[in-house]
Amino acid sequence: EAQVTQNPRYLITVTGKKLTVTCSQNMNHEYMSWYRQDPGLGLRQIYYSMNVEVTDKGDVPEGYKVSRKEKRNFPLILESPSPNQTSLYFCASSLDYLSTDTQYFGPGTRLTVL
Amino acid sequence: DQQVKQNSPSLSVQEGRISILNCDYTNSMFDYFLWYKKYPAEGPTFLISISSIKDKNEDGRFTVFLNKSAKHLSLHIVPSQPGDSAVYFCAAIPLNAGGTSYGKLTFGQGTILTVHP
Repeated sequence: EAQVTQNPRYLITVTGKKLTVTCSQNMNHEYMSWYRQDPGLGLRQIYYSMNVEVTDKGDVPEGYKVSRKEKRNFPLILESPSPNQTSLYFCASSLDYLSTDTQYFGPGTRLTVL
Repeated sequence: DQQVKQNSPSLSVQEGRISILNCDYTNSMFDYFLWYKKYPAEGPTFLISISSIKDKNEDGRFTVFLNKSAKHLSLHIVPSQPGDSAVYFCAAIPLNAGGTSYGKLTFGQGTILTVHP
């Protein structure tokens, strides 16, 4: 089954404790992206990657890091989480950067930073 | 600065009637527009899109209209069904001179649609 998976689905952590949210897709997609969803703000793009070893900032990259060492995985790293990073996070992928209109989204990761 | 705006946080409609969801944008570089639908505890799913060279695109019960001069698009659902109850996001992509995407998708805040039986 074609899918985008994220782990963990729920996470409660404390300020300053490094964490990684994993994202994996099994569709051989080149393009992958991370979004956060906050009430009243919709989905905002954090980082995106057009291919292996190619990443770029979205609209709200501050406080986040990503890496794309292999095509299927695109982890989101919070080196020193803060309470304003409490949010619902979505990973997405599409065939390539020309197909960003038909992105497949993961189920989401709800992160709470205390 | 919200470049894509959905000014109605929620919309309630009777089953069988028309649902109209609106979206406004400010960035004149946007050339391709999309609607996504999101159920609770799931990721958004692509619904329908429209290019700026068109003013209408239809797919079954869903039609998207684009008024480029007003920087406004709308999604019409006819007839509305209870299963359409979800959050709807509009989104926009800028295209470069070659007609390819910059890779950045900008979303609106979302509108919660509730369709009552």
